[in-house]
Amino acid sequence: QVQLVESGGGLVKPGGSLRLSCAASGFTFSDYYMSWIRQAPGKGLEWVSYISSSSSYTNYADSVKGRFTISRDNAKNSLYLQMNSLRAEDTAVYYCARGLSPIDYWGQGTLVTVSS
Amino acid sequence: AIQLTQSPSSLSASVGDRVTITCRASQGISSALAWYQQKPGKAPKLLIYDASSLESGVPSRFSGSGSGTDFTLTISSLQPEDFATYYCQQFNNLLTFGGGTKVEIK
Repeated sequence: QVQLVESGGGLVKPGGSLRLSCAASGFTFSDYYMSWIRQAPGKGLEWVSYISSSSSYTNYADSVKGRFTISRDNAKNSLYLQMNSLRAEDTAVYYCARGLSPIDYWGQGTLVTVSS
Repeated sequence: AIQLTQSPSSLSASVGDRVTITCRASQGISSALAWYQQKPGKAPKLLIYDASSLESGVPSRFSGSGSGTDFTLTISSLQPEDFATYYCQQFNNLLTFGGGTKVEIK
């Protein structure tokens, strides 16, 4: 069965950096676009970034462009999100998700808290 | 960027009620729309894709319709397990989510 397990969340100070990871299993990882979506506490869903199956294409929400970098390692069945220059408004649960159109599987999420 | 406006933002309904949620796109997105259900503390679950296609394993009481700018999610007979928040999402141009509709017990 498809499993997506995020890790790397935690408490970080404003201006700091964090790298999220997502371990995928139960499907051929290299066949799928992958996405990161976040949800601030008590708020709705916000798309953050996606990456194509071969890493040829990436895209970012305006709110994170220039600060976040998505990447993947198909040999390790892993997805990553490097987050730099973090702000309080980046505080959220970050979900790793399979696909783009549509997103058909989601991880359980990892909480990122940006606070001094 | 394409904006998605969901209405209502919340509703109260009883078991057995027919429930309709709408999602309006700021520009035409053909049928590139999905619907998700999210329960507290859980990840979203895909219900409908391509505006009207039912995801495998999703009960047939859920249905979607629409194309262009106006879309609808209908629950034909609300069940206790359907009390949740519902989101629409477009994938015609990057990705955008609607603001959500919380379905509560009357």
